[in-house]
Amino acid sequence: DIQMTQSPASLSASLGETVTIECRASEDIYSNLAWYQQKPGNSPQLLIYDANSLADGVPSRFSGSGSGTQYSLKINSLQSEDVASYFCQQYNNYPFTFGSGTKLEIK
Amino acid sequence: QVQLQQSGAELVKPGSSVKMSCKASGYTFTSYYIYWIKQRPGQGLEWIGRIGPGSGDTNYNEKFKGKATFTVDKSSSTAYMQLSSLTPEDTAVYYCARGAGYWGQGVMVTVSS
Repeated sequence: DIQMTQSPASLSASLGETVTIECRASEDIYSNLAWYQQKPGNSPQLLIYDANSLADGVPSRFSGSGSGTQYSLKINSLQSEDVASYFCQQYNNYPFTFGSGTKLEIK
Repeated sequence: QVQLQQSGAELVKPGSSVKMSCKASGYTFTSYYIYWIKQRPGQGLEWIGRIGPGSGDTNYNEKFKGKATFTVDKSSSTAYMQLSSLTPEDTAVYYCARGAGYWGQGVMVTVSS
């Protein structure tokens, strides 16, 4: 199985700041990577697919980048509504696997 | 609009089975795979597998072979997942999803005597 190593596990930042979350795959996943946001009690919501494509309705302050084994999610101008957990997922190989998550809080 | 409506929470005893449903609407049910994902309380996400409602073909995570069984009822646009031989480690929220972008609200399964 492809291992997805996500960092950091938790993150505290101020409103208006830019934050970056990273995922490293144990092998090349050819940009077959998605990022999700999950708020407590809710289902995960798709933010980014194919490593850098913004899902419908997602604010443009979210962006994804990367290739090969290294990927990142950037959130510009952090808003209070961005408090959530964030997960990456590879869908290049079965079984599709997720990162362990990053919990984002506001300082 | 695409919707996936899952069945309600379950409290079940160790060793028993549970079958949950995922009713799809707003699209052609047979045209998209349904995925099943597990999330233990306060934990990350695990991909259980997927089923193609049109063909019935399935892909299971090896970890869940023998534990999870996927079926569909095309007449009602509903996908099902049965979990067997339940243990406390199966206590989790189980989601169905259509691709990456559409998720059900989840089913909380609690395994307890």
